[in-house]
Amino acid sequence: AQSVSQHNHHVILSEAASLELGCNYSYGGTVNLFWYVQYPGQHLQLLLKYFSGDPLVKGIKGFEAEFIKSKFSFNLRKPSVQWSDTAEYFCAVSGTGGFKTIFGAGTRLFVKA
Amino acid sequence: GAGVSQSPSNKVTEKGKDVELRCDPISGHTALYWYRQSLGQGLEFLIYFQGNSAPDKSGLPSDRFSAERTGGSVSTLTIQRTQQEDSAVYLCASSQTAGTDTQYFGPGTRLTVL
Repeated sequence: AQSVSQHNHHVILSEAASLELGCNYSYGGTVNLFWYVQYPGQHLQLLLKYFSGDPLVKGIKGFEAEFIKSKFSFNLRKPSVQWSDTAEYFCAVSGTGGFKTIFGAGTRLFVKA
Repeated sequence: GAGVSQSPSNKVTEKGKDVELRCDPISGHTALYWYRQSLGQGLEFLIYFQGNSAPDKSGLPSDRFSAERTGGSVSTLTIQRTQQEDSAVYLCASSQTAGTDTQYFGPGTRLTVL
């Protein structure tokens, strides 16, 4: 079955701490991988995406994610978080043979100033 | 330019009534998606449309749910005989094409079934 698992539902960090949010997926075939973010009161928006090439992908606001095919993982990282990174983060996967997109349950990140 | 818009923003209805939710995608986007977000849950895929191809309806939870997209633009999600478990935020997204393209999300319609 197609699924996306995000390891942490809630994360609380202090400013300047490093962040890593886990994401594992189950999806047959070649995949496209995404991280979306929803800031308080705003729409969901794309943070970064991977569909081919370099498995280390850089996105907006200093975020990056690494696709590890052997582990079916696409973890999101940021070396030093800011209070403005407080948001909900969603990992998502779609296939190249069909475009149904499966989202994880989301991780709520709260950064203490 | 204008983003994805959805209407109404909030809808309160009584159990058993039918509701229609509307999505206006970004102009020129050929792919349109509907998702449902229940409290504490992630986004649940419902249906997507890609150009003139047959839609992928595999995520619709029951035959009470249907969606159409007229003229390759506006889409309507219809829920017949609403149940309390249908209460959720219904999100629409569009992208230039399906697959690798970024999905742009609307603000959602919050549906409450009493």
